[in-house]
Amino acid sequence: EAGVAQSPRYKIIEKRQSVAFWCNPISGHATLYWYQQILGQGPKLLIQFQNNGVVDDSQLPKDRFSAERLKGVDSTLKIQPAKLEDSAVYLCASSSLQGVGEKLFFGSGTQLSVL
Amino acid sequence: KNEVEQSPQNLTAQEGEFITINCSYSVGISALHWLQQHPGGGIVSLFMLSSGKKKHGRLIATINIQEKHSSLHITASHPRDSAVYICAVKNTGNQFYFGTGTSLTVIP
Repeated sequence: EAGVAQSPRYKIIEKRQSVAFWCNPISGHATLYWYQQILGQGPKLLIQFQNNGVVDDSQLPKDRFSAERLKGVDSTLKIQPAKLEDSAVYLCASSSLQGVGEKLFFGSGTQLSVL
Repeated sequence: KNEVEQSPQNLTAQEGEFITINCSYSVGISALHWLQQHPGGGIVSLFMLSSGKKKHGRLIATINIQEKHSSLHITASHPRDSAVYICAVKNTGNQFYFGTGTSLTVIP
């Protein structure tokens, strides 16, 4: 079974530039999450999709971050414009079950450095 | 204050030692997950538990719902166990909360 695919693996940009990350979840997984993990901290939820609808985006900085999952499969996360404090690993995760039995499958992440 | 607290933050052990990582949480949960993150790698789910104890190879996870506490034990630790171990809980509102992780280094 193929895992969660993310690209690019690494990205270096200057502040005020734009950047986009891509995620392809495990086939059949309806739920997709984007997390931001700053060095030394645990993952922080940015947005949760159920199919192509947004379930929770309460912690997404909507003035600069946007995400979409138009066909309910793969998803893109965009930052425009980037700030220095956006330097982090951006993790995508998917799951097939909701409720008690939900198990998350994570991608390898995209490591973003904003200079 | 974080909903999930882990201790210790960093842990160095000699190969073969018995290791314990602790997790305390403050929210009502439906499940608790232990995750493993290798440097430069993605996160792998080790255990998901809502009561009692689970064992997989040299790894054992326990949870005490009344005390809102879980432990991850590694028996006969090995250098390949070196990683960051993250405790995550899913609350009754279906939201995940993550601890900041315990960085484990096992020295040969």
